[in-house]
Amino acid sequence: QITLKESGPTLVKPTQTLTLTCTFSGFSLSTSGVGVGWIRQPPGKALEWLALIYWDDDKRYSPSLKSRLTITKDTSKNQVVLTMTNMDPVDTATYYCAHLSSTSVDYWGQGTLVTVSS
Amino acid sequence: QSALTQPASVSGSPGQSITISCTGTSSDVGGYNYVSWYQQHPGKAPKLMIYDVSNRPSGVSNRFSGSKSGNTASLTISGLQAEDEADYYCSSYTSSGYVFGTGTKVTVL
Repeated sequence: QITLKESGPTLVKPTQTLTLTCTFSGFSLSTSGVGVGWIRQPPGKALEWLALIYWDDDKRYSPSLKSRLTITKDTSKNQVVLTMTNMDPVDTATYYCAHLSSTSVDYWGQGTLVTVSS
Repeated sequence: QSALTQPASVSGSPGQSITISCTGTSSDVGGYNYVSWYQQHPGKAPKLMIYDVSNRPSGVSNRFSGSKSGNTASLTISGLQAEDEADYYCSSYTSSGYVFGTGTKVTVL
């Protein structure tokens, strides 16, 4: 059974760096074709793709946020970490991590709400 | 990359069929057969309903079907039921990762 869970701060101040951790079970990020991605959803708004990392350490970022994002994996700990720099109130959102099969997100974490406010 | 374009809302009566469109470009929807559809109920995480344009994951009702023509993908829900009332998002693979649609609120009248 595949499960994912996001963890990190619920409140960050403007200009700070956000660090989120996705801890997963039920699969290995060293298996060919597998990936883990991050997606966010501002309150009442649409989903937005942020970043993903594949089993072979291939990384992809949203072009509009690429300069602010870094995604890394720790296969031994079954964790993926996303950092986002220079946080702004518009970055207030529920952040989801998700399991990627070769072509789609098939399992989602429960999401974690991050509020950016001074 | 811009979000894929979906109608803001679609409605139908129980038992009817509805179709949600998802329009992109040749760099996303038109360029790959990797379109997915997600259902999201309020306060819940999205759920995968269709992958690779027209495939249903195990456990998803066969009332849900997907298709694609050119740069536009579509999700059809037949035999509309009250439980289908939710937000629906399409997604497509792109060279830089993935992109989501603007989302469609489905209302069962």
